[in-house]
Amino acid sequence: DARVTQTPRHKVTEMGQEVTMRCQPILGHNTVFWYRQTMMQGLELLAYFRNRAPLDDSGMPKDRFSAEMPDATLATLKIQPSEPRDSAVYFCASGFGGIEEKLFFGSGTQLSVL
Amino acid sequence: RKEVEQDPGPFNVPEGATVAFNCTYSNSASQSFFWYRQDCRKEPKLLMSVYSSGNEDGRFTAQLNRASQYISLLIRDSKLSDSATYLCVVRDQAGTALIFGKGTTLSVSS
Repeated sequence: DARVTQTPRHKVTEMGQEVTMRCQPILGHNTVFWYRQTMMQGLELLAYFRNRAPLDDSGMPKDRFSAEMPDATLATLKIQPSEPRDSAVYFCASGFGGIEEKLFFGSGTQLSVL
Repeated sequence: RKEVEQDPGPFNVPEGATVAFNCTYSNSASQSFFWYRQDCRKEPKLLMSVYSSGNEDGRFTAQLNRASQYISLLIRDSKLSDSATYLCVVRDQAGTALIFGKGTTLSVSS
């Protein structure tokens, strides 16, 4: 089965360090999403790409977060510098686009910032 | 006001019970609606889309009430394997991202 692949699955780092999360969307999908999930806030949208172009990153703290798609097979989410409040599960999802779009999620990156 | 609101639960029901979840959304112009399911420590997965006419998939029935801006999910004959968090999801229009509710937790016991 085709699936969205995220790496790493787990990341423990110290405050102030750079964190890079990677996502390989399903081949042929043209939309990519980054969501962050915490118990308090649930799933929050961080960034949204269509055909590799950023469409919405309004939910992302711009001073420390950045999201890119260097090519159609790779999306990255970087945090620099990381802070303890960034501790969460970060999900990448991809889809075919359209109003009835169904998203396929990766397994997530569990990030702990100490 | 949150865009998509759900009762967090938990809903604790015995096997075989019928259980219903509701979800409200704030944007009357929202165009598409879904229920996703998330198992503990797993990623969300699409359960079903929700249409104005209502739709059914086996033991699961989804309904949309545009006038009252709410979506419902009915699960009949609950199974132990139905235990999960159910996420209500709304898309405002094409080209915008999906907005997730915080989810309703269901626990089915034997």
